[in-house]
Amino acid sequence: DIQMTQSPSTLSASVGDRVTITCRASQSINNWLAWYQHNPGEAPKLLIYKASSLESGVPSRFSGSGSGTEFTLTISSLQPDDFATYYCQQYHSYSYTFGQGTKLEIK
Amino acid sequence: EVQLVESGGGLVQPGGSLRLSCAASGFTFSNYIMHWVRQAPGKGLEYVSVILREGGGTLHADSVKDRFTTSRDNSKDTLYLQMGSLRLEDTAVYYCAREGGSSGLAPFFDFWGQGTRVTVSS
Repeated sequence: DIQMTQSPSTLSASVGDRVTITCRASQSINNWLAWYQHNPGEAPKLLIYKASSLESGVPSRFSGSGSGTEFTLTISSLQPDDFATYYCQQYHSYSYTFGQGTKLEIK
Repeated sequence: EVQLVESGGGLVQPGGSLRLSCAASGFTFSNYIMHWVRQAPGKGLEYVSVILREGGGTLHADSVKDRFTTSRDNSKDTLYLQMGSLRLEDTAVYYCAREGGSSGLAPFFDFWGQGTRVTVSS
């Protein structure tokens, strides 16, 4: 099975900051990489799919990049609603895996 | 409006069984691959299972294989997760999720339910 290593596990930042979260796959996943935002008690929300495609309705300050085994989620200017936990998710050969999550906290 | 509403969670003893349901509305349910994902207390998201469109082929994570069964009733627009031989570590919020495309390969989850809580405890 493909393992996903997400870093950092916790990130402290301020409103207006630019932040980057990284996800590494144990083997190439052909860009089948998605990013989700999750707040406690709520349904996870799809942000990015196929590594860099922005889901409809998601603010343009969110962007995804990468290919092969290394991928990043960037938030260009943090807003108060962005403090949440973020997960990457891969697909390869009928196998789906989530990263361990990154909790984005207010500094 | 796409809606996914889970139900059936609750308190169950170790070794017991429970059936979760996920009622779908706002889209043609039979056209979509559906998934279950869970989150244990204080932990991250964990993938549980997938069921294909018509015909309903399934795959389950190793952690639940041979104990959980995923099924669907396209006439009722409902997804199910039959959970058996439950363990303490199955305690989690269980989410159903829709895969991103109605055809072809789109292996991400564009709509999620709010989740139903399962607690395994004696």
